[in-house]
Amino acid sequence: GDSVTQMEGPVTLSEEAFLTINCTYTATGYPSLFWYVQYPGEGLQLLLKATKADDKGSNKGFEATYRKETTSFHLEKGSVQVSDSAVYFCALSALNSGYSTLTFGKGTMLLVSP
Amino acid sequence: NAGVTQTPKFRVLKTGQSMTLLCAQDMNHEYMYWYRQDPGMGLRLIHYSVGEGTTAKGEVPDGYNVSRLKKQNFLLGLESAAPSQTSVYFCASSYVQGWLDQETQYFGPGTRLLVL
Repeated sequence: GDSVTQMEGPVTLSEEAFLTINCTYTATGYPSLFWYVQYPGEGLQLLLKATKADDKGSNKGFEATYRKETTSFHLEKGSVQVSDSAVYFCALSALNSGYSTLTFGKGTMLLVSP
Repeated sequence: NAGVTQTPKFRVLKTGQSMTLLCAQDMNHEYMYWYRQDPGMGLRLIHYSVGEGTTAKGEVPDGYNVSRLKKQNFLLGLESAAPSQTSVYFCASSYVQGWLDQETQYFGPGTRLLVL
């Protein structure tokens, strides 16, 4: 079945450091790929998405490129801020009995210190 | 717009008790979902609905029932709660634009459930 694998956390960085969170997936067909972010005590919010190979999703300084050849969708940011501290989830959307559902990775916690 | 709302925010149950979690959305979305979030497990799909009056099982449906009598509401029921159902429950909804444009899901704030 479909699956998403993320690097385990927590990832601990100092402010202004470069961030990479790795995400790889296994899926049949042509899934769309997503990054969601969960701030403490809140629900998940869409951060960015890509719907086909070589697409780059971007938002709030975060970027991720859909790499079909390596089945990856790594999240990057050039300079993190303390406010970026959160849990980040990689997910794919694929057909399930004719309807589209999301499969999530286990999440990666990011802690940014001043 | 309130988006996706969930009630209650927090609940403590004793083993064997029943309860219903309510999810409401005001975005006229067709699809609605219930997930549970457990430490180290990410989010797992319990049940989902692709329209009013229809429901389907997700990855972990056992011990739960759902109903979608109105388009804007999606109810999750626990008939006989067990400690293994202690979790944070999230509802989500989405608008399907076409099967090639996989939809974005919008999440509620969550319900924290503790079963003793």
